[in-house]
Amino acid sequence: EAGVAQSPRYKIIEKRQSVAFWCNPISGHATLYWYQQILGQGPKLLIQFQNNGVVDDSQLPKDRFSAERLKGVDSTLKIQPAKLEDSAVYLCASSLRQENTGELFFGEGSRLTVL
Amino acid sequence: KQEVTQIPAALSVPEGENLVLNCSFTDSAIYNLQWFRQDPGKGLTSLLLIQSSQREQTSGRLNASLDKSSGRSTLYIAASQPGDSATYLCAVDTGGFKTIFGAGTRLFVKA
Repeated sequence: EAGVAQSPRYKIIEKRQSVAFWCNPISGHATLYWYQQILGQGPKLLIQFQNNGVVDDSQLPKDRFSAERLKGVDSTLKIQPAKLEDSAVYLCASSLRQENTGELFFGEGSRLTVL
Repeated sequence: KQEVTQIPAALSVPEGENLVLNCSFTDSAIYNLQWFRQDPGKGLTSLLLIQSSQREQTSGRLNASLDKSSGRSTLYIAASQPGDSATYLCAVDTGGFKTIFGAGTRLFVKA
């Protein structure tokens, strides 16, 4: 079974530029998450989708971050314009989210460096 | 508001030692608790998932326990090996589609 796929693995941009990250979850997983992980910290949820609807985006900085999950499968996270403090690893995870499971499966992450 | 704390933040042990990593959470109303491993520059790998109705889960040399009433979980690693060196994170699913992570414990096992 293929895991969660993310691209690109690494991205270096200058502040005020834009960047986009892509995620393809495990086949059949209805729930998709984007997390931000700053060095030395645990992942922080940015946005959560159930199929193609947003369940929680309360911690997404909506003035610069946007995300979509068209057709309820893969997803794109965009940052525009980027700030220095956006330097982090952006992790995508998916979950089957059936009763008594909810196990999260993560991709390898996309490491963003903003100069 | 659910908060998850992991102690210690870092741990260094000699190879072969048994060790315990701690995770505490402030709200006992949880759906499940999951332990992950993260290697440098990598994503998170799921180790064990404990449902709220369970007390423990085992996988190989790993054993995770859950005590909801006291808001605590422990990850026990038996006979540690250098390959166990990584950051270990616990994550609490509070239901309502919210999973909160601790900051992790960085483990270094010396050969």
